[in-house]
Amino acid sequence: EVQLVESGGGLVQPGGSLRLSCAASGFTFSSYNMNWVRQAPGKGLEWVSYIRSSSSTIYYADSVKGRFTISRDNAKNSLYLQMNSLRAEDTAVYYCARAYSGYFQHWGQGTLVTVSS
Amino acid sequence: SYVLTQPPSVSVAPGQTARITCGGNNVGSKSVHWYQQKPGQAPVLVVYDDSDRPSGIPERFSGSNSGNTATLTISRVEAGDEADYYCQVWDSSSDHPGVFGGGTKLTVL
Repeated sequence: EVQLVESGGGLVQPGGSLRLSCAASGFTFSSYNMNWVRQAPGKGLEWVSYIRSSSSTIYYADSVKGRFTISRDNAKNSLYLQMNSLRAEDTAVYYCARAYSGYFQHWGQGTLVTVSS
Repeated sequence: SYVLTQPPSVSVAPGQTARITCGGNNVGSKSVHWYQQKPGQAPVLVVYDDSDRPSGIPERFSGSNSGNTATLTISRVEAGDEADYYCQVWDSSSDHPGVFGGGTKLTVL
């Protein structure tokens, strides 16, 4: 069974940093492209970032470009999102999602990031 | 960047058919995917590549895509179908290819 478990969320002050992790199991992690998708409270889904299986290609949404860094460790079956210079508008539930042919096939349960003083 | 437009809400009586639209410039040339999200839960893929269903998704869920509009159709709507629905495309020509519609709240009357 495919499992994606996010961790690392919490309360952080504006301008602070946080590193999210996503532990994958039940499939060959190194064979799949991965994404981060977020959802602000009461709002819709927003795609955040993509990383190819080999880490050779990375994309970011304009809203996070230059502040967030996606990475992965295929040996540890883990996906990461380093978030710097956090703003109030980054407050959201962050989901990791396994990609397949342009869609998000499996999702984790999400981790809540709250940016507030 | 590419934009997908959904109606904020759709209401339907039990047993009837719900149609949720997703508009975009020449969206018919792209593959559209649909997700269902219930309160407090992660999204679930219900239709991919315009009209295919993942295993475990009832046949009542179907999709179509042509011209500037993609449509998710839910037949014989049940109370358990009440949820938010999101369309999504992957815009391969863009540096920020992940695109979601704004979401549609389906209310079962």
